[in-house]
This record gives sequence, C-alpha cells and structure tokens, in this order.
Amino acid sequence: NAGVTQTPKFRVLKTGQSMTLLCAQDMNHEYMYWYRQDPGMGLRLIHYSVGEGTTAKGEVPDGYNVSRLKKQNFLLGLESAAPSQTSVYFCASSDHPSRVDTGELFFGEGSRLTVL
Amino acid sequence: GDSVTQMEGPVTLSEEAFLTINCTYTATGYPSLFWYVQYPGEGLQLLLKATKADDKGSNKGFEATYRKETTSFHLEKGSVQVSDSAVYFCALRQYSSASKIIFGSGTRLSIRP
Repeated sequence: NAGVTQTPKFRVLKTGQSMTLLCAQDMNHEYMYWYRQDPGMGLRLIHYSVGEGTTAKGEVPDGYNVSRLKKQNFLLGLESAAPSQTSVYFCASSDHPSRVDTGELFFGEGSRLTVL
Repeated sequence: GDSVTQMEGPVTLSEEAFLTINCTYTATGYPSLFWYVQYPGEGLQLLLKATKADDKGSNKGFEATYRKETTSFHLEKGSVQVSDSAVYFCALRQYSSASKIIFGSGTRLSIRP
C-alpha cells in the first residue's frame, strides 16, 4: 500500500541552486496538490493539478514550477532556491470531489528542504 | 473568502482527560468538513469527516459534529491517551473548485502520562 510517495525526504540546498521534488501516487487519483508547511501557518497551497497535462497556481506559487506529464506523478521544481523556501513540503492527491465522494486528501510523508 | 479558524496551541492535557479543540469556519454554500491528524515525522491523515449539516464524524474515540447554525466543527474525545499526541488540523473543502481546500493553522496536542 504505497499511497503517496515523495522523494527525496530531506535535502539541503545552497541559495541559487535548483532541485525537483517528485510525488508519485498509485491510487489513480485525478487531483494532485503541493503544499508547504511552516510553523504557525498551517498548510499553504503552492500549485495543483486536476488531471494529466494540467496545472494551476495556488496560494503561494512564486518561485516554484510544476509539471504533470503522467497522471501518477506531480513534480515540484525550484529553479533558484531562496532561504524563504526552507520548509516542509507535502504532496497530496484525491479523487474527483463530488457530492458522493468525501473529497479526502491523501498525503505523502513530507520532504524537508533547507536552503542555506 | 472561505476560512478556517482553530484554537491556538499547544494544548497539554493529562492522560484520560477530556479534549475539545475548537474549529469555526466561514464559507459560502455547503462545504464538507474534515479533521486531519499529523503524528511526529509523518504526513497528514484523515481522522474524521462530515459532509452535511448535523452529520457527526467519528473515529478512534474522536467525534465532531457539523453545526451550520454556529459554523463550527469542534473536535472532542472523552479520554485522551499519550498516543493521541499530535498536531490536529481542521479543514473544509468546497466542491465548486478543486483548489478550495482550506486548512486551519493546526493545534499541537501533548498528553502527559
């Protein structure tokens, strides 16, 4: 039961470096999300996708890019990392929300990123 | 816009104490309401949910009732255990938009043996 898998789990970057976080889900979910979690601020939505080949901006998209080339994968990229991007990143997925479905989100275990 | 407000933490209780974590929301229409729990070092996982007014969600001894008249979804447990120590998030989801999933800021709960 893999569910939602994020890699890597930990990463330390220097300012200006780039990296990509990978999220993979095996539940055939349509919707996928990237959040960041910072102390005292709960979860904030960075980008999301409602299907293969589609992406959209969330609440805090600046400095990040995403791609959803395959339904099961959702990649989050940092082109030029900044200390303000030090955070814990969570990927989540869900089935298409409807009045029948509860719209539950399934989360990965998180990726802790430190930018020096 | 939609929002979720939950009580500030941290909350520290002794084992077997009664727990209430308050959650109120502001939303148009009829969102679904959720409580998620995050154990140390892990991602969030669904604890319970309610999809319409007066529904009661329950799981692992926790309960919450969807109160539209007071726009609240307070989390309760009659007798907490050390293993309940975690961060609890209240959330709402609107079905009109894929991005309309709003989380509260989280409440850290610590249970003393």
